[in-house]
Amino acid sequence: QKEVEQDPGPLSVPEGAIVSLNCTYSNSAFQYFMWYRQYSRKGPELLMYTYSSGNKEDGRFTAQVDKSSKYISLFIRDSQPSDSATYLCAMSAAAGNKLTFGGGTRVLVKP
Amino acid sequence: DVKVTQSSRYLVKRTGEKVFLECVQDMDHENMFWYRQDPGLGLRLIYFSYDVKMKEKGDIPEGYSVSREKKERFSLILESASTNQTSMYLCASSAAGPLRDTQYFGPGTRLTVL
Repeated sequence: QKEVEQDPGPLSVPEGAIVSLNCTYSNSAFQYFMWYRQYSRKGPELLMYTYSSGNKEDGRFTAQVDKSSKYISLFIRDSQPSDSATYLCAMSAAAGNKLTFGGGTRVLVKP
Repeated sequence: DVKVTQSSRYLVKRTGEKVFLECVQDMDHENMFWYRQDPGLGLRLIYFSYDVKMKEKGDIPEGYSVSREKKERFSLILESASTNQTSMYLCASSAAGPLRDTQYFGPGTRLTVL
């Protein structure tokens, strides 16, 4: 069993819809959680960074962490075709430790 | 603007060849990383380095080695390429201190071993 599980998709939504992404993990030591976005033929770029449980909002993006359920989510409001990409979750047990990535979810936002 | 560059976007090599993948960052970052990315498996860490001439094994170091002679440059070496090393290779860097979890990635090198 993988340490971090993520549905590969593709997840197809109409423009303007809310995109809901999630990851589950098995290692209770994880405390730092990240979401990366990766466009086709590009390297990943950091979208959101959260510590421990709770919510964090940045523009149209909201990240949620539920450590009791070992479950993290990313919501994208008012989705745009430019949000079409692969979204990877990543996590670590301590700041500066190596990251463990999920397999990524491919998202398609249709105009 | 932060920049991580990788020497090649696409590379085709034959089984048994020695392969060098180069990565250069211009952000004066202490930390550098090599990952491989395969469908459904996400990114897996091969090697990383926290300082010049320093290296540590990641999760899948077998069949790879690295070199970091200068702060800005981190090289990944496949001593004898095999077909199961066909993959996308991504280099990343991050600063020391509070921003160390923010990794900046290069565009990747898609390596095919025939």
